[in-house]
Amino acid sequence: DSGVTQTPKHLITATGQRVTLRCSPRSGDLSVYWYQQSLDQGLQFLIQYYNGEERAKGNILERFSAQQFPDLHSELNLSSLELGDSALYFCASSGGTGDNQPQHFGDGTRLSIL
Amino acid sequence: ELKVEQNPLFLSMQEGKNYTIYCNYSTTSDRLYWYRQDPGKSLESLFVLLSNGAVKQEGRLMASLDTKARLSTLHITAAVHDLSATYFCAVEVARGSRLTFGEGTQLTVNP
Repeated sequence: DSGVTQTPKHLITATGQRVTLRCSPRSGDLSVYWYQQSLDQGLQFLIQYYNGEERAKGNILERFSAQQFPDLHSELNLSSLELGDSALYFCASSGGTGDNQPQHFGDGTRLSIL
Repeated sequence: ELKVEQNPLFLSMQEGKNYTIYCNYSTTSDRLYWYRQDPGKSLESLFVLLSNGAVKQEGRLMASLDTKARLSTLHITAAVHDLSATYFCAVEVARGSRLTFGEGTQLTVNP
């Protein structure tokens, strides 16, 4: 158990819809990262938050947004969903710049767009 | 843009054999990680390599890092079926920053 909790585990929805993925980081970790894993793109970094502030952006579409709340949990919002958004979405957490630990990954949310 | 390349991408080997997975990256970094992923599951951290010449071993797996060559290796000794999984290397350019992953090496160990 990595200590990173993601909900829901599975989501099935239709094109054009909007969903929210939730992540609770390991206790004490200030950084939260979102990654997308798909067969054609591999593991891609989406966005990072550190202690409530956006720290870095990667290959995140404009239809996607995220935030980190004061209790450090994070949500990834995906809107106007397309078939190509079907993927496994991972959240990871780490302790920040002074920490030599790896990023710890949650179990992921599998998103299926019909 | 940082590129991370692994080879081979697919590896089928017999139990008891040895093999090495290679991970090359394009930008200077002294922080590299190896993860294991079983089908449909999460990524499990295997090794954290934080300096040139770092070598870590756990069971039948040994990882090393050569920052001058921008190369990391994951060596498998006397493979067993339980090692069947996909192995990813990931580079972190700066402490606390994003991970850039290789394509993954899908390892199958046959009896």
